[in-house]
Amino acid sequence: QKEVEQNSGPLSVPEGAIASLNCTYSDRGSQSFFWYRQYSGKSPELIMSIYSNGDKEDGRFTAQLNKASQYVSLLIRDSQPSDSATYLCAVILNTDKLIFGTGTRLQVFP
Amino acid sequence: DTEVTQTPKHLVMGMTNKKSLKCEQHMGHRAMYWYKQKAKKPPELMFVYSYEKLSINESVPSRFSPECPNSSLLNLHLHALQPEDSALYLCASSQRWRDRDGNGYTFGSGTRLTVV
Repeated sequence: QKEVEQNSGPLSVPEGAIASLNCTYSDRGSQSFFWYRQYSGKSPELIMSIYSNGDKEDGRFTAQLNKASQYVSLLIRDSQPSDSATYLCAVILNTDKLIFGTGTRLQVFP
Repeated sequence: DTEVTQTPKHLVMGMTNKKSLKCEQHMGHRAMYWYKQKAKKPPELMFVYSYEKLSINESVPSRFSPECPNSSLLNLHLHALQPEDSALYLCASSQRWRDRDGNGYTFGSGTRLTVV
């Protein structure tokens, strides 16, 4: 079982729709969870962090964490073509290593 | 200054060459990291430095040699690389290592390395 798992996609949504990205992790001792956005040929950019169960909202982005189910998600409201990128879920494991999932490619079409 | 600066942006080197990648941050972060990213794959952790001391080496071959001369600088010395080492090398920093509710890692723009 991989430490951090994501559906590789692509996830295609129309402009203005809600994009829902999901991630599961295997280490129950994990405490810190992040979503990074990576455009092709560029480096990862941190867009959300979450540490407690529940929802955390920042503009059009909402991160959701459920530690009992070992599940993290990212919702992007009012999706724009500029949101088209690969979204990487990252988890700091109990070993204090930041490990990335394989990423989900999001395509927002006009 | 909220950036991590990496130089060079691109590097082509032969298998017998010695080169170095450089990383610099002035955010007062005391943890710095090297990651390697191959095409269409996620970043993979190579090294962790905490307070200028090497804390994690993810079984990286000795042809990669990290160095942290001070709290703002991180180098990766390269020697006798193989073509399969061609990748995007990413440097990152964070306020503290083992900071469970910190602000996450800030990544530099990376060095795209090609070994010929």
